[in-house]
Amino acid sequence: AQSVTQLDSQVPVFEEAPVELRCNYSSSVSVYLFWYVQYPNQGLQLLLKYLSGSTLVKGINGFEAEFNKSQTSFHLRKPSVHISDTAEYFCAVSGRSYQKVTFGIGTKLQVIP
Amino acid sequence: DAGVTQSPTHLIKTRGQQVTLRCSPKSGHDTVSWYQQALGQGPQFIFQYYEEEERQRGNFPDRFSGHQFPNYSSELNVNALLLGDSALYLCASSLEGPAGTEQYFGPGTRLTVT
Repeated sequence: AQSVTQLDSQVPVFEEAPVELRCNYSSSVSVYLFWYVQYPNQGLQLLLKYLSGSTLVKGINGFEAEFNKSQTSFHLRKPSVHISDTAEYFCAVSGRSYQKVTFGIGTKLQVIP
Repeated sequence: DAGVTQSPTHLIKTRGQQVTLRCSPKSGHDTVSWYQQALGQGPQFIFQYYEEEERQRGNFPDRFSGHQFPNYSSELNVNALLLGDSALYLCASSLEGPAGTEQYFGPGTRLTVT
């Protein structure tokens, strides 16, 4: 079984400041890792995913994440946030042999003008 | 190219009733997964359909059932609705293949049980 812990329920940050959203996972098998974004009243959009290879993954909208196997973490970062980044962000994990995805509880990113 | 579509957008039902939610996958996708997202929570996996069969199932009671049609569209049925079934129901489609294949999500159906 897998589980995902998102350490911050809400993160306020000023516009143009950097941000890091933290995610830790637990699994007894090798996993794939994902970050999704959800804007109000919308479905989820994939920001980026880690399947294998380089541990630094770049995604859309200037986001990136680093896979750290020893710390079982997959933190999401952006060097300079915009008002339009205000949304809820979900970290997720799946096993490598099936497509079921387990999501974290989400982190609300609020960008302050 | 239309993405994943879901209907209806919103639905209000009474406790004990039954409901059917519908999903059309992204063009070319053959696998459909359903998720329940309660308020303030992350999505929870309900089940996945491929080749008209339920392939995987999460920790949901038998009141939750589904179907996939030959054109890959899917339905989620919930019987004997409880107040706790109030949630956003998300459908995601993908191509059959190795895990890690990207799932595309629809906008969801907001179900309110009174």
